[in-house]
Amino acid sequence: GAVVSQHPSWVICKSGTSVKIECRSLDFQATTMFWYRQFPKQSLMLMATSNEGSKATYEQGVEKDKFLINHASLTLSTLTVTSAHPEDSSFYICSARDWQNEQYFGPGTRLTVT
Amino acid sequence: AQSVAQPEDQVNVAEGNPLTVKCTYSVSGNPYLFWYVQYPNRGLQFLLKYITGDNLVKGSYGFEAEFNKSQTSFHLKKPSALVSDSALYFCAVSKSGGYNKLIFGAGTRLAVHP
Repeated sequence: GAVVSQHPSWVICKSGTSVKIECRSLDFQATTMFWYRQFPKQSLMLMATSNEGSKATYEQGVEKDKFLINHASLTLSTLTVTSAHPEDSSFYICSARDWQNEQYFGPGTRLTVT
Repeated sequence: AQSVAQPEDQVNVAEGNPLTVKCTYSVSGNPYLFWYVQYPNRGLQFLLKYITGDNLVKGSYGFEAEFNKSQTSFHLKKPSALVSDSALYFCAVSKSGGYNKLIFGAGTRLAVHP
């Protein structure tokens, strides 16, 4: 089946620094990828829709200047958390949609901001 | 607006007994309905989906779900629970015509006791 990877699987960074999270579709091309955020014991909240070659579409309440998304190729989307603060600590999950409109989820990245 | 409700935070069941995890939805038009499972610190794994056709959908690991349009429900079921089924289960919905935005329920933690 289709596989989506995320890197890193976990990261600890200091407050004020930026961190980049990669989402890759390993065996298929994905024109659309999605970024979700999950707080402990809560559901997934869609942050943004990433489209290859165009600007991402952000959900209401998500700061586009803080969560930079780049979908530069058909197999890679990146989420950069800029000037991270402790409240940005969360589990970030991406998904990639294939040509049959099936969504496959990555294993997630746990971000801890100290 | 689309929404998904999972009324139970946790479901407890003895191993070997049948299990049901409830889900109701609200969406305009015909819904696409999904069930995912999440193990600790992992991404989501797809269990099954309903798009159209037979109301009873069979999925991975012996799980099934029944689409009930009149009750706007899509409950997840399994005839005989395993301890290894213990995990967090999410119901999700998207509008027909695109597997675009998945709206997730709050999640239900399933605990199967030996």
